[in-house]
Amino acid sequence: DTGVSQDPRHKITKRGQNVTFRCDPISEHNRLYWYRQTLGQGPEFLTYFQNEAQLEKSRLLSDRFSAERPKGSFSTLEIQRTEQGDSAMYLCATRGGGALYNEQFFGPGTRLTVL
Amino acid sequence: AQSVSQHNHHVILSEAASLELGCNYSYGGTVNLFWYVQYPGQHLQLLLKYFSGDPLVKGIKGFEAEFIKSKFSFNLRKPSVQWSDTAEYFCAVKNYNQGGKLIFGQGTELSVKP
Repeated sequence: DTGVSQDPRHKITKRGQNVTFRCDPISEHNRLYWYRQTLGQGPEFLTYFQNEAQLEKSRLLSDRFSAERPKGSFSTLEIQRTEQGDSAMYLCATRGGGALYNEQFFGPGTRLTVL
Repeated sequence: AQSVSQHNHHVILSEAASLELGCNYSYGGTVNLFWYVQYPGQHLQLLLKYFSGDPLVKGIKGFEAEFIKSKFSFNLRKPSVQWSDTAEYFCAVKNYNQGGKLIFGQGTELSVKP
Protein backbone atom coordinates (compact mmCIF):
# COMPACT_ATOMS: atom_id res chain seq x y z
CA ASP A 1 0.00 0.00 0.00
CA THR A 2 1.58 3.26 -1.07
CA GLY A 3 -1.00 5.55 0.53
CA VAL A 4 -0.85 7.58 3.71
CA SER A 5 -0.87 5.33 6.77
CA GLN A 6 -1.72 6.15 10.35
CA ASP A 7 -1.15 4.24 13.54
CA PRO A 8 -2.97 3.31 15.66
CA ARG A 9 -6.37 3.26 14.00
CA HIS A 10 -8.15 3.39 17.33
CA LYS A 11 -7.04 4.57 20.75
CA ILE A 12 -9.00 4.51 23.97
CA THR A 13 -7.45 6.28 26.91
CA LYS A 14 -8.36 7.65 30.28
CA ARG A 15 -8.56 11.34 30.96
CA GLY A 16 -5.18 12.74 31.94
CA GLN A 17 -3.11 10.21 30.02
CA ASN A 18 -0.74 11.10 27.18
CA VAL A 19 -1.23 9.67 23.70
CA THR A 20 0.89 9.72 20.55
CA PHE A 21 -0.21 9.11 16.98
CA ARG A 22 1.95 8.44 13.97
CA CYS A 23 1.50 9.33 10.31
CA ASP A 24 3.57 7.87 7.48
CA PRO A 25 3.24 9.92 4.31
CA ILE A 26 3.35 8.90 0.70
CA SER A 27 6.99 8.66 -0.23
CA GLU A 28 8.57 11.99 -1.20
CA HIS A 29 5.54 14.06 -0.23
CA ASN A 30 7.10 17.11 1.36
CA ARG A 31 3.99 18.63 2.93
CA LEU A 32 2.19 16.94 5.77
CA TYR A 33 -1.01 18.19 7.41
CA TRP A 34 -2.86 17.23 10.58
CA TYR A 35 -6.61 17.72 10.89
CA ARG A 36 -9.16 16.87 13.55
CA GLN A 37 -12.71 15.74 12.81
CA THR A 38 -15.50 15.53 15.34
CA LEU A 39 -18.84 13.85 14.81
CA GLY A 40 -21.04 15.66 12.31
CA GLN A 41 -18.34 18.11 11.31
CA GLY A 42 -15.81 18.44 8.55
CA PRO A 43 -12.08 18.14 9.25
CA GLU A 44 -10.47 21.15 10.96
CA PHE A 45 -6.88 22.14 10.29
CA LEU A 46 -4.42 21.71 13.17
CA THR A 47 -0.91 22.14 11.79
CA TYR A 48 1.32 21.46 8.82
CA PHE A 49 4.93 20.72 7.93
CA GLN A 50 7.05 21.48 4.93
CA ASN A 51 9.68 18.76 5.19
CA GLU A 52 10.76 18.91 8.87
CA ALA A 53 9.72 22.52 9.46
CA GLN A 54 6.41 23.17 11.21
CA LEU A 55 5.10 26.21 9.37
CA GLU A 56 1.68 26.87 10.83
CA LYS A 57 -0.32 25.93 13.92
CA SER A 58 -4.03 26.49 14.35
CA ARG A 59 -5.45 28.10 17.48
CA LEU A 60 -7.11 24.71 18.01
CA LEU A 61 -3.68 23.35 18.86
CA SER A 62 -3.42 24.10 22.57
CA ASP A 63 -0.14 23.78 24.43
CA ARG A 64 -1.10 20.20 25.33
CA PHE A 65 -0.63 19.28 21.68
CA SER A 66 2.73 18.91 20.00
CA ALA A 67 3.62 17.66 16.55
CA GLU A 68 6.95 16.72 15.07
CA ARG A 69 8.37 15.58 11.79
CA PRO A 70 12.02 15.06 12.71
CA LYS A 71 13.44 13.77 9.45
CA GLY A 72 10.89 15.16 7.06
CA SER A 73 9.26 11.77 6.60
CA PHE A 74 6.87 10.40 9.24
CA SER A 75 5.18 12.68 11.74
CA THR A 76 3.90 12.27 15.28
CA LEU A 77 1.13 14.10 17.08
CA GLU A 78 1.18 13.96 20.87
CA ILE A 79 -1.59 15.01 23.20
CA GLN A 80 -0.63 15.43 26.84
CA ARG A 81 -3.08 15.25 29.74
CA THR A 82 -5.95 14.24 27.49
CA GLU A 83 -9.43 15.65 28.10
CA GLN A 84 -12.79 14.28 27.03
CA GLY A 85 -13.05 17.11 24.52
CA ASP A 86 -10.04 15.68 22.69
CA SER A 87 -12.14 12.71 21.55
CA ALA A 88 -12.18 12.93 17.77
CA MET A 89 -10.78 11.45 14.59
CA TYR A 90 -7.26 12.72 13.89
CA LEU A 91 -6.47 12.80 10.20
CA CYS A 92 -3.16 13.11 8.43
CA ALA A 93 -2.85 14.27 4.83
CA THR A 94 0.17 14.69 2.60
CA ARG A 95 0.86 16.54 -0.59
CA GLY A 96 3.53 16.23 -3.19
CA GLY A 97 4.65 18.21 -6.16
CA GLY A 98 4.19 18.06 -9.90
CA ALA A 99 0.80 17.35 -11.40
CA LEU A 100 -0.69 16.45 -8.02
CA TYR A 101 0.64 19.63 -6.43
CA ASN A 102 -2.68 20.77 -5.11
CA GLU A 103 -4.17 17.48 -4.02
CA GLN A 104 -3.96 16.30 -0.44
CA PHE A 105 -4.10 12.56 0.13
CA PHE A 106 -5.68 11.53 3.39
CA GLY A 107 -4.89 8.63 5.65
CA PRO A 108 -7.53 6.49 7.40
CA GLY A 109 -7.29 8.47 10.61
CA THR A 110 -6.80 7.61 14.28
CA ARG A 111 -10.00 7.60 16.30
CA LEU A 112 -9.32 8.78 19.86
CA THR A 113 -11.77 8.14 22.68
CA VAL A 114 -11.02 9.74 26.03
CA LEU A 115 -12.96 8.20 28.91
CA ALA B 1 -12.46 34.24 9.12
CA GLN B 2 -12.83 32.07 6.09
CA SER B 3 -15.66 29.55 6.19
CA VAL B 4 -17.37 26.97 4.02
CA SER B 5 -21.07 26.27 4.23
CA GLN B 6 -22.82 23.18 2.94
CA HIS B 7 -26.55 23.68 2.74
CA ASN B 8 -27.80 20.18 3.37
CA HIS B 9 -26.82 18.00 6.28
CA HIS B 10 -28.54 14.85 5.02
CA VAL B 11 -29.96 14.12 1.58
CA ILE B 12 -31.98 11.03 0.73
CA LEU B 13 -32.53 10.09 -2.91
CA SER B 14 -33.74 7.15 -4.91
CA GLU B 15 -31.48 5.56 -7.51
CA ALA B 16 -31.45 7.41 -10.84
CA ALA B 17 -32.47 10.69 -9.22
CA SER B 18 -30.37 13.76 -9.93
CA LEU B 19 -28.14 15.20 -7.24
CA GLU B 20 -27.06 18.71 -6.43
CA LEU B 21 -25.20 19.52 -3.21
CA GLY B 22 -24.67 23.15 -2.38
CA CYS B 23 -21.41 24.71 -1.19
CA ASN B 24 -20.69 28.36 -0.49
CA TYR B 25 -17.48 29.87 0.81
CA SER B 26 -16.59 33.23 2.30
CA TYR B 27 -13.31 34.45 0.88
CA GLY B 28 -12.80 37.09 -1.75
CA GLY B 29 -9.31 36.23 -2.88
CA THR B 30 -7.98 33.53 -5.15
CA VAL B 31 -9.10 30.11 -4.02
CA ASN B 32 -8.83 26.51 -5.06
CA LEU B 33 -11.95 24.43 -4.52
CA PHE B 34 -12.39 20.74 -3.83
CA TRP B 35 -15.00 18.11 -3.23
CA TYR B 36 -13.96 15.10 -1.18
CA VAL B 37 -16.01 11.95 -0.59
CA GLN B 38 -15.89 9.52 2.31
CA TYR B 39 -17.50 6.15 1.67
CA PRO B 40 -18.56 4.13 4.72
CA GLY B 41 -15.50 2.77 6.48
CA GLN B 42 -13.07 4.43 4.09
CA HIS B 43 -10.90 7.51 4.20
CA LEU B 44 -11.42 10.81 2.42
CA GLN B 45 -10.89 10.69 -1.34
CA LEU B 46 -10.77 13.51 -3.84
CA LEU B 47 -13.76 13.68 -6.19
CA LEU B 48 -12.80 16.76 -8.15
CA LYS B 49 -10.97 20.07 -7.90
CA TYR B 50 -11.01 23.53 -9.42
CA PHE B 51 -7.92 25.72 -9.79
CA SER B 52 -8.60 27.97 -12.76
CA GLY B 53 -10.01 28.00 -16.27
CA ASP B 54 -13.28 26.32 -17.22
CA PRO B 55 -15.59 26.77 -14.21
CA LEU B 56 -17.30 23.46 -14.96
CA VAL B 57 -15.07 20.67 -13.73
CA LYS B 58 -15.57 16.98 -14.10
CA GLY B 59 -14.47 14.45 -11.56
CA ILE B 60 -14.55 10.73 -11.01
CA LYS B 61 -17.65 8.55 -11.09
CA GLY B 62 -19.71 10.97 -13.19
CA PHE B 63 -19.61 13.87 -10.74
CA GLU B 64 -19.16 17.45 -11.83
CA ALA B 65 -19.11 20.83 -10.12
CA GLU B 66 -19.59 24.39 -11.25
CA PHE B 67 -17.65 27.31 -9.83
CA ILE B 68 -19.69 30.52 -9.83
CA LYS B 69 -17.36 33.24 -8.62
CA SER B 70 -20.06 35.90 -8.27
CA LYS B 71 -22.01 33.64 -5.94
CA PHE B 72 -18.99 32.22 -4.08
CA SER B 73 -20.41 28.80 -4.85
CA PHE B 74 -19.08 25.43 -5.94
CA ASN B 75 -22.04 23.09 -6.18
CA LEU B 76 -21.63 19.38 -6.83
CA ARG B 77 -23.89 17.61 -9.31
CA LYS B 78 -24.56 14.17 -10.71
CA PRO B 79 -27.34 13.49 -13.23
CA SER B 80 -28.20 10.01 -11.98
CA VAL B 81 -27.10 8.67 -8.60
CA GLN B 82 -26.44 5.03 -7.77
CA TRP B 83 -26.72 3.16 -4.51
CA SER B 84 -22.92 3.05 -4.41
CA ASP B 85 -22.84 6.87 -4.16
CA THR B 86 -24.05 6.59 -0.56
CA ALA B 87 -21.35 8.46 1.34
CA GLU B 88 -20.49 11.70 3.06
CA TYR B 89 -19.46 14.58 0.83
CA PHE B 90 -17.24 17.47 1.91
CA CYS B 91 -16.60 20.73 0.14
CA ALA B 92 -13.24 22.35 0.87
CA VAL B 93 -11.48 25.60 0.03
CA LYS B 94 -7.81 26.46 -0.05
CA ASN B 95 -6.56 30.00 0.00
CA TYR B 96 -4.01 30.50 -2.70
CA ASN B 97 -1.46 32.05 -0.36
CA GLN B 98 -2.02 30.26 2.93
CA GLY B 99 0.18 27.22 3.00
CA GLY B 100 -2.22 24.78 1.45
CA LYS B 101 -4.44 24.09 4.44
CA LEU B 102 -7.98 23.12 3.55
CA ILE B 103 -11.06 24.67 5.11
CA PHE B 104 -13.89 22.14 5.05
CA GLY B 105 -17.63 22.44 5.20
CA GLN B 106 -19.53 20.39 7.73
CA GLY B 107 -20.35 17.69 5.20
CA THR B 108 -23.48 16.33 3.56
CA GLU B 109 -24.52 12.76 4.14
CA LEU B 110 -26.05 11.25 1.02
CA SER B 111 -28.21 8.15 1.29
CA VAL B 112 -29.31 6.53 -1.97
CA LYS B 113 -32.18 4.07 -1.76
CA PRO B 114 -32.00 1.11 -4.16
